[in-house]
Amino acid sequence: RKEVEQDPGPFNVPEGATVAFNCTYSNSASQSFFWYRQDCRKEPKLLMSVYSSGNEDGRFTAQLNRASQYISLLIRDSKLSDSATYLCVVNGDTGANNLFFGTGTRLTVIP
Amino acid sequence: ETGVTQTPRHLVMGMTNKKSLKCEQHLGHNAMYWYKQSAKKPLELMFVYSLEERVENNSVPSRFSPECPNSSHLFLHLHTLQPEDSALYLCASSQDINRAEYGYTFGSGTRLTVV
Repeated sequence: RKEVEQDPGPFNVPEGATVAFNCTYSNSASQSFFWYRQDCRKEPKLLMSVYSSGNEDGRFTAQLNRASQYISLLIRDSKLSDSATYLCVVNGDTGANNLFFGTGTRLTVIP
Repeated sequence: ETGVTQTPRHLVMGMTNKKSLKCEQHLGHNAMYWYKQSAKKPLELMFVYSLEERVENNSVPSRFSPECPNSSHLFLHLHTLQPEDSALYLCASSQDINRAEYGYTFGSGTRLTVV
């Protein structure tokens, strides 16, 4: 069973739309959760951490459901510049040397 | 500027060549990592270093040889690679190996093609 599972997409949405991605993880002991963004042929960059109570950063909202072991990312008012692959990242246990990456969800925002 | 610098950005090498990838971090982090990213696959952890000491080797073939001379520099020495080793090789650093809450900072990667 994969540590982290994501729908690979692609998601093609018009500008201004709201889009949501989900991700599930297998280890109930996981404590740290992140969403990374990766542009084509570039490195992953941290978009936001995901906290237990849910957190928001501008147009982006992340939520964590520990009971169901899933994480979500909501993007409101999509911009063309949001087109990228979004990686769900979970640590398998305590410590930083044990981060597991999903395969990513590809988003394309269409004019 | 990401704070983690990788060179070269692109590398084409023959199966009998020997080459090295270099990574340097300017963030004062204590932990450094090598990852491999192949098409349509999740990032695969290769090696983990904490304060210059290797703490993890994820069953990586011996044709990949890491070196960490100090906590700011990390190398990946390559020799007699196979075409299936062609991928994006990413270096990352984190504040401390025992603290995951800040995630990783990645370098821009080396896109390797083995011919």
